Amino acid sequence: KAGVTQTPRYLIKTRGQQVTLSCSPISGHRSVSWYQQTPGQGLQFLFEYFSETQRNKGNFPGRFSGRQFSNSRSEMNVSTLELGDSALYLCASSLKGDEQYFGPGTRLTVT
Amino acid sequence: KQEVTQIPAALSVPEGENLVLNCSFTDSAIYNLQWFRQDPGKGLTSLLLIQSSQREQTSGRLNASLDKSSGRSTLYIAASQPGDSATYLCAVFSTGTASKLTFGTGTRLQVTL
Repeated sequence: KAGVTQTPRYLIKTRGQQVTLSCSPISGHRSVSWYQQTPGQGLQFLFEYFSETQRNKGNFPGRFSGRQFSNSRSEMNVSTLELGDSALYLCASSLKGDEQYFGPGTRLTVT
Repeated sequence: KQEVTQIPAALSVPEGENLVLNCSFTDSAIYNLQWFRQDPGKGLTSLLLIQSSQREQTSGRLNASLDKSSGRSTLYIAASQPGDSATYLCAVFSTGTASKLTFGTGTRLQVTL
């Protein structure tokens, strides 16, 4: 079974721009969660989608948004990028929201 | 608010040693606890998942225990190898915040030849 895939793997953006990251879960998994990892804050939960509905949300500003499609693939969007948004963005999938399987991440650098 | 702490932050051991990594959490109302490893610049690899009703889980040279009442979990690695060098993270699902993992800060392990 293929694992969680994330695209792109690396991105360089300029302050003020917006970015969209994509995540394809393990086949059959309906839950997709997003996490931000930085050296200073560690791993922080962004949001979780289950069957196209946002089920849980972390403490991030409204510039961070996401969605899930009917095939369970998910996208995360960050608008008006700030330098502090530079991070490794990790996506995880699970069957029902329990045991999490993570993808390789997207490394976002904001200059 | 759930807080997860891992001690030590970094650990260096010679190959072949058995070692224990510690994880503590402040709120004992958890669904489960999951241990991961992360290699530099990579994603997280799931190692073990312990349900709240379980006391321990084993996979190969790894054994994880859970004591919910005291808010502690340990990851035991037997006969360490250089390939075990990585950062180890524990994370908990808290009751009432299902699907959201709260992560510890990790233990960076180096196994030397």
